[in-house]
Amino acid sequence: SSELTQDPAVSVALGQTVKITCRGDTFRNYHASWYQQRPGQAPVLVFSGKDIRPSGIPDRFSGSSSGNTASLTITGAQAEDEADYYCNSRDSSGTQWVFGGGTKLTVL
Amino acid sequence: QLVQSGAEVKKPGESLKISCLVSGYIFTNYWVGWVRQMPGKGLELMGIVHPRDSDTRYRPSFEGQVTISADKSIRTAYLLWNSLKASDNGIYYCARYDLNVGAFDLWGQGTVVTVSS
Repeated sequence: SSELTQDPAVSVALGQTVKITCRGDTFRNYHASWYQQRPGQAPVLVFSGKDIRPSGIPDRFSGSSSGNTASLTITGAQAEDEADYYCNSRDSSGTQWVFGGGTKLTVL
Repeated sequence: QLVQSGAEVKKPGESLKISCLVSGYIFTNYWVGWVRQMPGKGLELMGIVHPRDSDTRYRPSFEGQVTISADKSIRTAYLLWNSLKASDNGIYYCARYDLNVGAFDLWGQGTVVTVSS
């Protein structure tokens, strides 16, 4: 089992706000980074552990953390945001990294 | 950018080495990770290598199953299997980890590995 736990699926109505969560003890010490993967494509970084949104990523994507939970918030979800989302952070040893199991986002 | 070698079709028991050629940044300044994605499944980090000194770290489930390496003279990272299994089917991505950004910020296009008798 992964050290980072994500809900397998989440849905959101077009234009509404959705929060995708990732739970793990590592977040008491480290930040999460978030990746979007559309079908047939390589993953793309959408929000980093240093609170950086890469160039080209819409500002509707933002990240936050509280206790043992990290979150990716999409404010005003668009149809093109329908994808799989993965969190990533340091593992329990702190010496490398691990991915969460992924969340499939459906935009209704 | 990170450019990976092409798709491979192999038989169980065969060996395979796939590559990830880096350009556009200083290869020896960043960790490179290898990520597996089995058909219809999520991303799994297999391990990481730092090309400066070849410091290599494996996730427990991949230790002893694959070998990760880097050749800084040709700016290339590698993922090696000595004996493939059918369960090695999947897409394999290389990705750069930038400590300043705190993320895998650059990804290769992926290499599809098919293992079938």
